[in-house]
Amino acid sequence: AQSVTQLDSQVPVFEEAPVELRCNYSSSVSVYLFWYVQYPNQGLQLLLKYLSGSTLVKGINGFEAEFNKSQTSFHLRKPSVHISDTAEYFCAVSVAGGFKTIFGAGTRLFVKA
Amino acid sequence: SQTIHQWPATLVQPVGSPLSLECTVEGTSNPNLYWYRQAAGRGLQLLFYSVGIGQISSEVPQNLSASRPQDRQFILSSKKLLLSDSGFYLCAWSVIGTHTTYEQYFGPGTRLTVT
Repeated sequence: AQSVTQLDSQVPVFEEAPVELRCNYSSSVSVYLFWYVQYPNQGLQLLLKYLSGSTLVKGINGFEAEFNKSQTSFHLRKPSVHISDTAEYFCAVSVAGGFKTIFGAGTRLFVKA
Repeated sequence: SQTIHQWPATLVQPVGSPLSLECTVEGTSNPNLYWYRQAAGRGLQLLFYSVGIGQISSEVPQNLSASRPQDRQFILSSKKLLLSDSGFYLCAWSVIGTHTTYEQYFGPGTRLTVT
């Protein structure tokens, strides 16, 4: 079975500062990895995904993530955050042929002026 | 392009009343469909998923049920709501096939408050 752990429940950061949201996963088979963002009272939308190939993945809104197989991690980064990045971020994992996606508990990013 | 609709957007229901939430998808055929619940301050809990008409898999035993009467319609129901059913309900779809990328596409959600 797969599992996802988001190591920080809340991350406060000042505007224009860099941020890293941490995600570790557990799986006995190869996985596909995702980051989703949820703005208040809205559904989730895909930020970026890793399926195969380059371990550095670039997504929307200036976010990127790096897949590290040896450390089973998929941390999300942005070099300079904006107030509009305030939202909840979910790391998720799927496996080939699987119907389900396993989501982490979420990290609330709060960007302060 | 594909679109996913959920209604109602918000709902306030008394304990013991019935529930029906509807989700429809446009612009794709034979999607996998999912119902999630998000309690306040918590992550997503998968409630049901469906890989085809009439095919429902339940993830959590509770007083909720799901049905898929048409290819792109997914309904979440309850005969008698409990206080613990309050939350934000999200419908999602995905495509599993030769060129699948396994990502899920989410609807706007329904905020349910049971009083």
